[in-house]
Amino acid sequence: LAKTTQPISMDSYEGQEVNITCSHNNIATNDYITWYQQFPSQGPRFIIQGYKTKVTNEVASLFIPADRKSSTLSLPRVSLSDTAVYYCLQGGYNKLIFGAGTRLAVHP
Amino acid sequence: EAQVTQNPRYLITVTGKKLTVTCSQNMNHEYMSWYRQDPGLGLRQIYYSMNVEVTDKGDVPEGYKVSRKEKRNFPLILESPSPNQTSLYFCASSLSDIGTYEQYFGPGTRLTVT
Repeated sequence: LAKTTQPISMDSYEGQEVNITCSHNNIATNDYITWYQQFPSQGPRFIIQGYKTKVTNEVASLFIPADRKSSTLSLPRVSLSDTAVYYCLQGGYNKLIFGAGTRLAVHP
Repeated sequence: EAQVTQNPRYLITVTGKKLTVTCSQNMNHEYMSWYRQDPGLGLRQIYYSMNVEVTDKGDVPEGYKVSRKEKRNFPLILESPSPNQTSLYFCASSLSDIGTYEQYFGPGTRLTVT
């Protein structure tokens, strides 16, 4: 049974780099790994997606090792506005499996 | 503006009283999905639809029904709501193959069943 596991919470300070790791149990060959950000009273918002190796966009980087059993979301130089819940997701053509979410708190 | 809309945003109802939560997207997306979000459990997929008249069960479909008669609409139906369906519900859509396309989420519907 496919399952994603991630830490419940993390704390950081403004200006630091934050890495959140998710484990992907029984990830399927055609599954992609996606990360979403959610603020209170809002729906999740797409951050980044990848299949293997490293992907970088204007807000984050995503590292996926060759065995694809984990993924790491990297947020460079976080600010207070990055305080949110971060979800990892694995999925392909149909069912999507979300992790339970990591609550990131960024402190001044 | 490209968006996913849900109605109502808040709903309080009683056990057994049928209800429908509507979801509509204006992006001509093929894929639509419903999730429920509960504390400590994250988002769990209820049903999804790959296209018009094509729907399938997600991880937690019991007690829910869906239909996809038009591309833009994907209503969630609770025929006989029970208190364990009290939750925050999100509708989402994406262009096509949801593994490779980002999903756009609606603002959520908070449902309370007493």
